[in-house]
Amino acid sequence: DAGITQSPRHKVTETGTPVTLRCHQTENHRYMYWYRQDPGHGLRLIHYSYGVKDTDKGEVSDGYSVSRSKTEDFLLTLESATSSQTSVYFCATSYEGTGVYEQYFGPGTRLTVT
Amino acid sequence: QKEVEQNSGPLSVPEGAIASLNCTYSDRGSQSFFWYRQYSGKSPELIMFIYSNGDKEDGRFTAQLNKASQYVSLLIRDSQPSDSATYLCAVNEEGGGADGLTFGKGTHLIIQP
Repeated sequence: DAGITQSPRHKVTETGTPVTLRCHQTENHRYMYWYRQDPGHGLRLIHYSYGVKDTDKGEVSDGYSVSRSKTEDFLLTLESATSSQTSVYFCATSYEGTGVYEQYFGPGTRLTVT
Repeated sequence: QKEVEQNSGPLSVPEGAIASLNCTYSDRGSQSFFWYRQYSGKSPELIMFIYSNGDKEDGRFTAQLNKASQYVSLLIRDSQPSDSATYLCAVNEEGGGADGLTFGKGTHLIIQP
């Protein structure tokens, strides 16, 4: 357990509304990630961060933006939610200590867009 | 596009037997390989990682890597009902280091009491 929390844990929102998910970690890990998990697709990388204000796009970044203003917080924003963004969102962190950058996951946020 | 393939299962194994989970990957340059366990409704939990050819053992778990065949496996000895879960194989890309992982879709394992 890397001391990762996510908020909210569950959210129902309407199509077209903005949504922000928060990931908070207490381990001082440099690297942070957002994934989504959908039946039939597995876990897919949305965005990741190498450090404060240093982010990059993943495999499925369209419709999502991120921000990292502090080491401990990584925010994922859906500017205008669509039904295709209904999913379970996981945050993960990693560090360079072992050299393989293994990732540790937060508890997840279940998002439903109606 | 990098791909990681796993048999979705379910794989049914009697209690006390050895469960064998397999994974193949497409990117020959992949450096490190990870096995995660995910219980229904929960987040993935890291079991172990491997980056050198051969076997790596951790308790009842053994990871096996064959880079020439682009094949990774996880053996679970003395399987217990609590091992029933979905097992995810993940790889990172050549030189990727801290870049995100590519995951397989997972194998659903059922340990029969």
